[in-house]
Formats: sequence, structure tokens, C-alpha cells
Amino acid sequence: QVQLQESGPGLVKPSETLSLTCAVSGYSISSGYYWGWIRQPPGKGLEWIGSIYHSGSTYYNPSLKSRVTISVDTSKNQFSLKLSSVTAADTAVYYCARDTAMVTFDYWGQGTLVTVSS
Amino acid sequence: EIVMTQSPATLSVSPGERATLSCRASQSVSSNLAWYQQKPGQAPRLLIYGASTRATGIPARFSGSGSGTEFTLTISSLQSEDFAVYYCQQYNNWPPRTFGQGTKVEIK
Repeated sequence: QVQLQESGPGLVKPSETLSLTCAVSGYSISSGYYWGWIRQPPGKGLEWIGSIYHSGSTYYNPSLKSRVTISVDTSKNQFSLKLSSVTAADTAVYYCARDTAMVTFDYWGQGTLVTVSS
Repeated sequence: EIVMTQSPATLSVSPGERATLSCRASQSVSSNLAWYQQKPGQAPRLLIYGASTRATGIPARFSGSGSGTEFTLTISSLQSEDFAVYYCQQYNNWPPRTFGQGTKVEIK
């Protein structure tokens, strides 16, 4: 059974960088697929942030591209998100998910709430 | 960017009744359309992919149809556990992958 678990600070100050990691178990990232980040502001809908292929190729939402970096560490079987220059508008539950070409987001982490506040 | 529009925003249905949710794409996404169910405090759960293929473990009362720009999710007989928010998402032309704004299915 594929499982994903997000981790990282729950509180980030404005203008700083949000950093999250997603640990994957039950599947080796190096075996294939994309691995993605999606966020959901409180009470609102879902927004795709970006995805990384197992080889390291990245694809970002153009609306966030200038501030986003997604990386993968196959040795630790995890991938990470960095979002720079955060504001209150970046307050959201952040999810990581397996992202397949034909099935899209089939396995999700439980999500982690990140609040941007001083 | 492909814009996904869901209707209605809220659907009030009695248990045992049929629910029909709509999703429209601003341009063709072929059959590369997924539906998700999200309950409060939980991550979204994949229900349907490829517009009409049920994901593993999804009950047969959930069915998807459509192609191109018009899609439908039908829940044939609503159970208590089906009251939730439902999202459609296209993965045909990306980046970006885009979601609809969601349809809340509530108890009538």
C-alpha cells in the first residue's frame, strides 16, 4: 500500500520560505511516476502547485513558478517543496500525492496546515 | 490554462436518491478527467479517472461519463457516507493541472 506523509513547520513568517517534505512508503520513487504538491486554503478549493518526475524533471503552476522549487531525494524516498516569499495568501493545507500520467493523483498524504503569520 | 467549471455549487439530495454533478472544461480535455471526493478534515480521494473508470475500491454506485468539454458524475443511490464535496480535475493539457471549484452534496 502506497503511503505518503507530509512534514514541516506549521507556522512560517511572511517573506520567508515554506519548506515541506513528503516521505513515501510502499513504493520506490525511483521506479517511476510523477510526485506532486497540491494546496487548499481554508474553506476553499484545490490548487495544483507542481509535480516532479522520478528522474527530476519539474513542472510548476505558472501562477507560482517564480517562487516554487520541488526536488526529489530517491535515496530517502522522499520529495520536497520550497515556496519562497510567502504571504498570508499562502496559508493552506498542503498535500503531497502520487501523480500518474493516466490516473493523475491516486494516492494522497493526509495534508499539513501551514499558516503564514508573524 | 484550462478552466474547469462545476455545477451546481451545492446539491441537496435525500439519502437513497440519485445525484448528478456536472463539470465543464473551457476547452477539450479528451477523456483526461478525474473526480475526487473530499470529506471534512480529510484528503481528497480519487473516485474516477479517464472520465469513466472507477478507481480501486470505489463502489459501483459512482459512475462517470462524458468527453471533450462536458462531464458528469452520477451517484445512483446516495448513502450517508457520500455527503461530501466533489471536485473534477483535468490532466490533459498541463501545466497546470486544474481543478473545478467543487460541488457540495448535502443532506436534504
